[in-house]
Amino acid sequence: DMKVTQMPRYLIKRMGENVLLECGQDMSHETMYWYRQDPGLGLQLIYISYDVDSNSEGDIPKGYRVSRKKREHFSLILDSAKTNQTSVYFCASSLRTSQNTLYFGAGTRLSVL
Amino acid sequence: GQQVQQSPASLVLQEGENAELQCNFSSTATRLQWFYQHPGGRLVSLFYNPSGTKHTGRLTSTTVTNERRSSLHISSSQTTDSGTYFCAIDREGGSAKLIFGEGTKLTVSS
Repeated sequence: DMKVTQMPRYLIKRMGENVLLECGQDMSHETMYWYRQDPGLGLQLIYISYDVDSNSEGDIPKGYRVSRKKREHFSLILDSAKTNQTSVYFCASSLRTSQNTLYFGAGTRLSVL
Repeated sequence: GQQVQQSPASLVLQEGENAELQCNFSSTATRLQWFYQHPGGRLVSLFYNPSGTKHTGRLTSTTVTNERRSSLHISSSQTTDSGTYFCAIDREGGSAKLIFGEGTKLTVSS
């Protein structure tokens, strides 16, 4: 069963705390993504990873960093979270081909107070 | 930069009516995809359709690349079609960094 799993699903943090969002996939996909979605907006790309230790900034990387030490795992880290990082975060994965269907996780709803 | 614009922003239908969602993009898309977001949040891919017409069930996607537009047609809508539909395009160079439109929120009532 093809699956992208995100943990945790809900998270409440205080401003200044560190945040770790985890994502896993069981499809051996090379490419993985982190997006955030805010009300009324589409998805904005934070980071993309083309494979282990091969990460590239997206459109809004400031305030975030990522880690990909295994192909099946991709982590999003917020060092010293800010209130404007309150959002829903989606992880996705795809094969690295010219016809890359994205598979999404269920999302992590993060509130930074 | 590359832009993706979707219309309408929202659409309300009675069950059984058809829906036509539009996506316009500002440059030649190397990959265009349509996604559906459940009211609960998960996104699923509907179509990878960089050009031409594709069908699945009651859904039809038509992309006219040289006119920089794509449409998603939903026939005989059902309440379970309610949710938000996004189109997304890849950037020039094929970086896989998809740009999403802001979505069309569809509500189908019985």
